[in-house]
Amino acid sequence: DAMVIQNPRYQVTQFGKPVTLSCSQTLNHNVMYWYQQKSSQAPKLLFHYYDKDFNNEADTPDNFQSRRPNTSFCFLDIRSPGLGDAAMYLCATSRDVASGRGLTDTQYFGPGTRLTVL
Amino acid sequence: KQEVTQIPAALSVPEGENLVLNCSFTDSAIYNLQWFRQDPGKGLTSLLLIQSSQREQTSGRLNASLDKSSGRSTLYIAASQPGDSATYLCAVRHSNYQLIWGAGTKLIIKP
Repeated sequence: DAMVIQNPRYQVTQFGKPVTLSCSQTLNHNVMYWYQQKSSQAPKLLFHYYDKDFNNEADTPDNFQSRRPNTSFCFLDIRSPGLGDAAMYLCATSRDVASGRGLTDTQYFGPGTRLTVL
Repeated sequence: KQEVTQIPAALSVPEGENLVLNCSFTDSAIYNLQWFRQDPGKGLTSLLLIQSSQREQTSGRLNASLDKSSGRSTLYIAASQPGDSATYLCAVRHSNYQLIWGAGTKLIIKP
């Protein structure tokens, strides 16, 4: 089945030790998103890619970076994780239905990666 | 600034009851509204998406309505089952790719 896959599902890292989370999709969607979700809170958008164009949210810390080497894969790099970065990280994809004018279809989410920082 | 509110924050009902979850938003200039389900420790599953030109969408026992003028959406769940227990989030697409999220309603269906 077409889907959004995230690896690993659970990631433990040490304070300050870089970590990379991965997301892959078989939906061939041109837009990919990374969200951070803390317990009992709504997801918070960190950034998104429209094709290879990177769009960073204004309040996303510099500690968070992303790479999208091709349509199918997207990575979230946390350069120096702090205790406050412990959260669920969700990857999502969607299809642009308006030729770049910013209207997209339903967002499809992966199962998430739960990050623990020791 | 668009804000999305979901009330109540938690709801517990006996199995078999029909129920309504509420979502309100402050700016009626939206592209669409989407309802998601999230099971504990899991990702989000899209349930229904309503375009701004639509009034409602149905999928099985679920029916979502949209009233842009009043800034409200409801998710109606018919004949609730224990498997419906989850957190339900609504999200509004206010502009371009940004989704504005509610904090969710935690639903518990008691057998």
